[in-house]
Amino acid sequence: QSALTQPASVSGSPGQSITISCTGTSSDVGDYKYVSWYQHHPGKAPKLMIYEVSNRPSGVSNRFSGSKSGNTASLTISGLQAEDEADYYCSSYTSSSLYVFGTGSKVTVL
Amino acid sequence: QVQLVESGGGVVQPGRSLRLSCAASGFTFSAYAMHWVRQAPGKGLEWVATISYEGGNKYYADSVEGRFTISRDNSKNTLYLQMNSLGGEDTAVYYCARDRSYYGSGRNGMDVWGQGTTVTVSS
Repeated sequence: QSALTQPASVSGSPGQSITISCTGTSSDVGDYKYVSWYQHHPGKAPKLMIYEVSNRPSGVSNRFSGSKSGNTASLTISGLQAEDEADYYCSSYTSSSLYVFGTGSKVTVL
Repeated sequence: QVQLVESGGGVVQPGRSLRLSCAASGFTFSAYAMHWVRQAPGKGLEWVATISYEGGNKYYADSVEGRFTISRDNSKNTLYLQMNSLGGEDTAVYYCARDRSYYGSGRNGMDVWGQGTTVTVSS
């Protein structure tokens, strides 16, 4: 099972919106609602930001939103803040092996 | 509060074995599927294994299938990962994580994570 494809880096200025893509196949992202997004600050535990494509867990800012079209899922961060600078990973249920993560995207706040 | 604490990491020689533990507290451990996820130095997150809430179903990444075994003891609120035939590619920080869904299928996202334990495979 190959990792889902994400851009290596995404950047934006404070207050702007950015979108991170996550491209898979019809065996994972394209065929299931089980797409999640995680924020990971180095040295800390990853944090669930979005589950089932577009749902936010309690306590996660509404500046974070998720969507999906075909084999590509997206995470949008609006009103970018310095604290959003981190690595972001998508993941999906897959028919072949249960789970697959994305390659990861480093978000930089300029 | 809801917490996961991993232990058992360390430096191990290639070909040897190691067992990781993950102690859960603050929630009904027996009601949640559990996962192991790892991150090699300079690399991204990699799913390793998942076990259903009652322990009857286990799933593995191709990279560890046949070498690693996930298990749980619901009476001790503890998750395990037995790692055999370790190689350099297994050097990583290993995280345990809780599946989000109560009595769920194990595919619902990981909402609680431990701080990780480091495994280094080196001679």
